[in-house]
Amino acid sequence: ELKVEQNPLFLSMQEGKNYTIYCNYSTTSDRLYWYRQDPGKSLESLFVLLSNGAVKQEGRLMASLDTKARLSTLHITAAVHDLSATYFCAVDQYGNKLVFGAGTILRVKS
Amino acid sequence: EAGVTQFPSHSVIEKGQTVTLRCDPISGHDNLYWYRRVMGKEIKFLLHFVKESKQDESGMPNNRFLAERTGGTYSTLKVQPAELEDSGVYFCASSQDTAGPQETQYFGPGTRLLVL
Repeated sequence: ELKVEQNPLFLSMQEGKNYTIYCNYSTTSDRLYWYRQDPGKSLESLFVLLSNGAVKQEGRLMASLDTKARLSTLHITAAVHDLSATYFCAVDQYGNKLVFGAGTILRVKS
Repeated sequence: EAGVTQFPSHSVIEKGQTVTLRCDPISGHDNLYWYRRVMGKEIKFLLHFVKESKQDESGMPNNRFLAERTGGTYSTLKVQPAELEDSGVYFCASSQDTAGPQETQYFGPGTRLLVL
């Protein structure tokens, strides 16, 4: 059974600081996703990572994938308050079913 | 382009009652998924439709849950009778093509269900 572990579960950051969220998964998979959720809103797709060594960047967020280590990271550079949200990683099992991590609640303090 | 919509946004019912949740996927998306998040735990897969057919319903917790997608457009998820442990947030998602390399599931805002 595929398991996805995300850490930390809660992250309080100062504006301007850097930090990384980690996502480990237990079996091989086709794709790994990062989603963002604001309170009461939809899950917004941030990144889709397909292959070993894949790196994608959007603004202050950068995601990477190491399929050999079964590890993905979401790196936050120079955090700003607008990045406060819950971030989920999810692994695609059998081409359709997503298995989610528990989510990381990120709070950026000014 | 309209995103995935869900109705109602919130529902409060008593144990033993019936509730029906509705999901309208993005137009043209053949794939429709239901997920739920119970009591702050992980978001869990419930089932997957391709058009009107159930492709995978391995995540459905028991026979109190019935999902339909008549005509391959919107979907409903009925819980009958509802139990306390059914409380949580029910998400719907849709996607166009599961095989595409950049294929993404687009999620709705969820229905928050509270069973008292």
